[in-house]
Amino acid sequence: GQNIDQPTEMTATEGAIVQINCTYQTSGFNGLFWYQQHAGEAPTFLSYNVLDGLEEKGRFSSFLSRSKGYSYLLLKELQMKDSASYLCALMTGTASKLTFGTGTRLQVTL
Amino acid sequence: GAVVSQHPSRVICKSGTSVKIECRSLDFQATTMFWYRQFPKKSLMLMATSNEGSKATYEQGVEKDKFLINHASLTLSTLTVTSAHPEDSSFYICSARDRGVYGYTFGSGTRLTVV
Repeated sequence: GQNIDQPTEMTATEGAIVQINCTYQTSGFNGLFWYQQHAGEAPTFLSYNVLDGLEEKGRFSSFLSRSKGYSYLLLKELQMKDSASYLCALMTGTASKLTFGTGTRLQVTL
Repeated sequence: GAVVSQHPSRVICKSGTSVKIECRSLDFQATTMFWYRQFPKKSLMLMATSNEGSKATYEQGVEKDKFLINHASLTLSTLTVTSAHPEDSSFYICSARDRGVYGYTFGSGTRLTVV
């Protein structure tokens, strides 16, 4: 089986930087995704990591360490619209199954 | 880009009835689709992997006789919740593996309420 853990809730201030961690245990690792999800909507793709290191895309960056089973999503220059749930997801196996972590609800405040 | 159309977006049904949810890939062929359910303030839980032309693969703890999945064509997968009960009320969402950089395309979700 798989364990994919994230903090349940986080709060940060507008304009600040926040790091959302994801730790996992799995076999057949094929890649790690980060998604943003607003309530009642489909997840929106943010980033994909398959090799160790940092992937930067505008205000969002994602880091992966496969040996440590660890990833984080870094959000810079936080905006109120960034208040949402952030989901870490693992792609595994020959079927490229996508399994989601517990999710982190981020609240951005003034 | 790739689009998956999911219908209905909302449905209310009576206990004991069955509800069918459709996911259709509009501009690509989806040999594999994934079905998830999501409870309020929780993450997406994978229910099953749907493969075109073969039986679905269910995750541990998911009742295959209750959640019937059919993937009869390369563009259509359906999930039927049979003999629905109030505890089946949830947000159901499908996802298809695509060949684009984003990897997966999600439907817009179905809010099922069983009364």
